[in-house]
Amino acid sequence: AQTVTQSQPEMSVQEAETVTLSCTYDTSESDYYLFWYKQPPSRQMILVIRQEAYKQQNATENRFSVNFQKAAKSFSLKISDSQLGDAAMYFCAYRSAGGTSYGKLTFGQGTILTVHP
Amino acid sequence: GAGVSQSPSNKVTEKGKDVELRCDPISGHTALYWYRQSLGQGLEFLIYFQGNSAPDKSGLPSDRFSAERTGGSVSTLTIQRTQQEDSAVYLCASSTRVGQPQHFGDGTRLSIL
Repeated sequence: AQTVTQSQPEMSVQEAETVTLSCTYDTSESDYYLFWYKQPPSRQMILVIRQEAYKQQNATENRFSVNFQKAAKSFSLKISDSQLGDAAMYFCAYRSAGGTSYGKLTFGQGTILTVHP
Repeated sequence: GAGVSQSPSNKVTEKGKDVELRCDPISGHTALYWYRQSLGQGLEFLIYFQGNSAPDKSGLPSDRFSAERTGGSVSTLTIQRTQQEDSAVYLCASSTRVGQPQHFGDGTRLSIL
């Protein structure tokens, strides 16, 4: 079974600064997908960024980028130029690329990000 | 267009009662997923549907939990004889098909007294 670990229960950053959230995972699969989701107090999970394991290039979406280290099974999220609206709970998630669990997301425990003005 | 709609938004019920939670996916989305978010267990997968069939029910915690989807659209998650440990936020998501990005609803907060 796959597991996802987020070792930082809470992080904080000053507005306009950069912050990195950590995520490690464990799997025996060679092909899979990794995601970062954001959950504001409204409860709705919002997809921030995703990475295909077979792609060596790190994914980027505007101010959000990842550092994907496949051999180390590490998938960190970097938020540049942090904004007050970035404050939320962030979840790292894993999904298999095939099999009956193809649709299942496995989540980490989450990291609460606080942005200080 | 409308997102994933879940109802009710909040539900309070007494221990031992049955509850039904509803999820209305984004129009045209053939895949639908249920997750549970609780303080003790974090975010857990429950079940997913491709059309009306459920290839993976591995996350349902006990036989008190069941889910169905008819007509390839709306899904209901039913919890029978509720227990206090069932208190959680139940999240539903949908995607155009399995393997595509999942779009989540706002969840149903279930409280068992």
